[in-house]
Amino acid sequence: EVQLVQSGAEVKKPGESLKISCKASGYIFTSYWIAWVRQMPGKRLEYIGLINPGDSDTRYNPSFQGQVTVSADKSITTAYLQLSSLKASDTAMYYCARYIGGGGPALGYWGQGTLVTVSS
Amino acid sequence: DIVMTQSPDSLAVSLGERAIINCKSSQSILYSSNNNNYLAWYQQKPGQPPKLLIYWASTRGSGVPDRFSGSGSGTDFTLTISSLQSEDVAVYYCQQYYSPPYAFGQGTKLEIK
Repeated sequence: EVQLVQSGAEVKKPGESLKISCKASGYIFTSYWIAWVRQMPGKRLEYIGLINPGDSDTRYNPSFQGQVTVSADKSITTAYLQLSSLKASDTAMYYCARYIGGGGPALGYWGQGTLVTVSS
Repeated sequence: DIVMTQSPDSLAVSLGERAIINCKSSQSILYSSNNNNYLAWYQQKPGQPPKLLIYWASTRGSGVPDRFSGSGSGTDFTLTISSLQSEDVAVYYCQQYYSPPYAFGQGTKLEIK
């Protein structure tokens, strides 16, 4: 069974950094791209970026470039999203998700989400 | 960037009735070389991550009930729920995956009338 298990909720102060993890299991980690998606309270889903865990090829939404870093450690089948210089506007739910396979970049499997709260 | 626009923003439908949600892309998301529309539909219930319902505009995801169907091509797409059930109350999102960044629509909130 494919599973993506994310790290727990975080409360941070403005200016701090944060690294969210997404532990994958139940499939060959290096065979499928993983995406990161943001959902601010009451808002639409936003695509942050992608990583191919096989070769660490990474793509970013230009709207997030420079503010986030996506990475992966295939030895422990875990993907990461690093957020730097946090602002109150980074308060959101962050999801990792995996390509469905055979369905192009449609996101067929999702983590449970990590709630990030940025507050002074 | 491709912009995805859904209509309506919210919808109330009686149990057993049909629900129709529309999605329009700012440019065609039909890839001519394989004749596939690069569009997905997701369902998100409160407190849960999104769930993939439809991909390639009309292919149902694993375990998705057949009352859910997707149609359309090019720039105009539709998600239809043929007979609304109480468990279908959710927000529905379309997403294009033709060209990065793979944008989502703003969502349509579906409620029971």
